[in-house]
Amino acid sequence: KNEVEQSPQNLTAQEGEFITINCSYSVGISALHWLQQHPGGGIVSLFMLSSGKKKHGRLIATINIQEKHSSLHITASHPRDSAVYICAVRLTNRDDKIIFGKGTRLHILP
Amino acid sequence: GAVVSQHPSWVICKSGTSVKIECRSLDFQATTMFWYRQFPKQSLMLMATSNEGSKATYEQGVEKDKFLINHASLTLSTLTVTSAHPEDSSFYICSASGTGWGPQHFGDGTRLSIL
Repeated sequence: KNEVEQSPQNLTAQEGEFITINCSYSVGISALHWLQQHPGGGIVSLFMLSSGKKKHGRLIATINIQEKHSSLHITASHPRDSAVYICAVRLTNRDDKIIFGKGTRLHILP
Repeated sequence: GAVVSQHPSWVICKSGTSVKIECRSLDFQATTMFWYRQFPKQSLMLMATSNEGSKATYEQGVEKDKFLINHASLTLSTLTVTSAHPEDSSFYICSASGTGWGPQHFGDGTRLSIL
């Protein structure tokens, strides 16, 4: 079992829909990152969380440390949100190693 | 699944030393490789994008003369930190993709400590 699991793997939705991407992990972490990658581009860091909730524009990220779960929400989705979203965790007991989820490919239809 | 090997995993060296980090795609051809850096308690930062056979594209604020990137083959990219100083101490991660839209496969990272 992977230490970082993302769901869904692929998601296609209509413009305007509320989007939720989930990330569960099974290890002790000091921080969790949500990353975005547009086609042909490098990774852009969206959020870094260690507790609670963060909001930036139409993006909201939450983390529940007890349940070892984080969600990334996109409100009023737009075709330009189409990208791969990656959850990554920073371990507390392995030299700060970062483990990445496999990513969720999001496609927003106009 | 696709595997990316990054080496070394940990480097400790003296100030002024040049350090080379290798990123290899073991079972696929990586047309594009990315190099990231992460300082303690900060998020990942993209440093540069390299395509096989061409010059790397550096992000704003990244010194191209200090961080030399070579992507001479479809399975190997190297990042050389020249004349490293303590402020270069960081965690460096590479990723590789077979196509521009393909999934990213990440190396395990290299922790660089400059004394």
